[in-house]
Amino acid sequence: GAGVSQSPRYKVAKRGQDVALRCDPISGHVSLFWYQQALGQGPEFLTYFQNEAQLDKSGLPSDRFFAERPEGSVSTLKIQRTQQEDSAVYLCASSLAELTYEQYFGPGTRLTVT
Amino acid sequence: GDSVTQMEGPVTLSEEAFLTINCTYTATGYPSLFWYVQYPGEGLQLLLKATKADDKGSNKGFEATYRKETTSFHLEKGSVQVSDSAVYFCALLPGSARQLTFGSGTQLTVLP
Repeated sequence: GAGVSQSPRYKVAKRGQDVALRCDPISGHVSLFWYQQALGQGPEFLTYFQNEAQLDKSGLPSDRFFAERPEGSVSTLKIQRTQQEDSAVYLCASSLAELTYEQYFGPGTRLTVT
Repeated sequence: GDSVTQMEGPVTLSEEAFLTINCTYTATGYPSLFWYVQYPGEGLQLLLKATKADDKGSNKGFEATYRKETTSFHLEKGSVQVSDSAVYFCALLPGSARQLTFGSGTQLTVLP
């Protein structure tokens, strides 16, 4: 079956532009996570949804970052007024149920802010 | 807060060599521990996991044992292959949270 997909795979934005990154989780997966991975580092948590409810957004680095999952499936991570320090790979992961351990990761979107 | 410290890379080995990648953690309570692997151009994949002390996770010839006394979860493989070349991430899931905390990753290159 299809895994987690993300689009676009690569995005170049000029500083100050807004960007929207899309995540399609595995069908039927309840939980959805966004992580940010800087070059040479491990992923760092941004935010978590259970169905359409955003239960934890403690990792969002500033109020320029916003995520939504309005129908409990597809999610969008939006970054407003991008800055150079936003350059990173943004990873989406989903898991079947709230208490399952395994998170399935998408290939990521590489964002470069120039 | 919770954290994971991983062996610095990169690591370069010859085919059939023995592999160890060290991982130690700091966490409150009783976390679950994981190794994820990232092959070039692909997403992170779960390699193995252990959910309580003394558990051994294993998959594809890789093993790691959850050692509470040393707060470690070292990854080992007896004989690496070229196809094992990838970046390996140690991670923990605290008992009270849903999100993973990752180490910084270790790049492994296996030469034929």
